[in-house]
Amino acid sequence: DTEVTQTPKHLVMGMTNKKSLKCEQHMGHRAMYWYKQKAKKPPELMFVYSYEKLSINESVPSRFSPECPNSSLLNLHLHALQPEDSALYLCASSQLPGTSGRSTDTQYFGPGTRLTVL
Amino acid sequence: DAKTTQPNSMESNEEEPVHLPCNHSTISGTDYIHWYRQLPSQGPEYVIHGLTSNVNNRMASLAIAEDRKSSTLILHRATLRDAAVYYCILPQGAQKLVFGQGTRLTINP
Repeated sequence: DTEVTQTPKHLVMGMTNKKSLKCEQHMGHRAMYWYKQKAKKPPELMFVYSYEKLSINESVPSRFSPECPNSSLLNLHLHALQPEDSALYLCASSQLPGTSGRSTDTQYFGPGTRLTVL
Repeated sequence: DAKTTQPNSMESNEEEPVHLPCNHSTISGTDYIHWYRQLPSQGPEYVIHGLTSNVNNRMASLAIAEDRKSSTLILHRATLRDAAVYYCILPQGAQKLVFGQGTRLTINP
């Protein structure tokens, strides 16, 4: 099973709402990632979790709050978002480097959650 | 950090080979070259990677120049399902993929 699942597929929220995006993988990967992709732009890294601990935060505003409750799950909590935060939010996972002998392990991406902030 | 340069778009015909170029003139000796692609309405997917010598897998081939300042992703027989944005990436550290603008590949029937 090389699948990363994300729910919901689509989400519309107001600027005062609180919502969460969910990502799940059952490949035994110990690294999980959140990316943001605006229309017709490349994905941009937001957060990286390694062994359920936050290892990289790319200076993301605090209205985005990641959480990794266990090795298979990754959440992104959203609060007080702005319309410019509307984008496709992608989750990915990988083995941790060194476990396969490569310097950078393959990342497996989910299909994304398309978020619209009104 | 080393950067990559790719053409914005390319077009090819179905069942013909496609050569997608990537320049990475500031690559360091330990940088791997990774390729991902993103089909319409999907997340990116891994295609291939290499360090120095040419690499083949079931999806594509990767030809790396001797000086490693450029590489070419080769799709041997393109199909309509290969229409996607192809990204050439030099990972920054063990976990950081920095996506450039990529090449949008159009396949004509």
